[in-house]
Amino acid sequence: AQSVTQLDSHVSVSEGTPVLLRCNYSSSYSPSLFWYVQHPNKGLQLLLKYTSAATLVKGINGFEAEFKKSETSFHLTKPSAHMSDAAEYFCVVIPRGFGGYQKVTFGTGTKLQVIP
Amino acid sequence: NAGVTQTPKFRVLKTGQSMTLLCAQDMNHEYMYWYRQDPGMGLRLIHYSVGEGTTAKGEVPDGYNVSRLKKQNFLLGLESAAPSQTSVYFCASSSGEAGYNEQFFGPGTRLTVL
Repeated sequence: AQSVTQLDSHVSVSEGTPVLLRCNYSSSYSPSLFWYVQHPNKGLQLLLKYTSAATLVKGINGFEAEFKKSETSFHLTKPSAHMSDAAEYFCVVIPRGFGGYQKVTFGTGTKLQVIP
Repeated sequence: NAGVTQTPKFRVLKTGQSMTLLCAQDMNHEYMYWYRQDPGMGLRLIHYSVGEGTTAKGEVPDGYNVSRLKKQNFLLGLESAAPSQTSVYFCASSSGEAGYNEQFFGPGTRLTVL
């Protein structure tokens, strides 16, 4: 069994301040973890992924996330928010290494508002 | 490369009508997926395919059918639309198993069933 919990449905930050979007997961198997971003009326775009290599993962647009197995967390951070970061962010967990299809579980999303 | 495309972008149906959503990808991906997105619920998998000629049920398959006659296309059908199927539908594809490979998403189809 697996699940994903995004701890905040909405986060509001001022432009130029740090961003923290929180994601906790549970998985019976070694997971791969992803963060996707969705801008209004658009499809989802991959920000970054963890698939068992380095626990600190760097993604596009200055985002990064750290896989912490002991805390079952995969929080997304960015040092300085930009107006273009305003979007909805999804944390995704997938069990890894079984071949074929594995269940993909999406979190319910966190809407990030950036205030000028 | 167009990536993943979906047609139509918008559609309004009356209860009981049928329609087909088309997804096309030009990346030669083996895996394709159909999701629906509803407010506060994230994305939920409807059906998926791990190769041409294969399909399988996802998390919420009832009321939908799919076909993958060609590797690049994945069709989602609604035989008798219901208001509960009002949603935004996303198609995605990946080169291999989702545990290792990025899913590429289309721009979505916004469906309203009256």
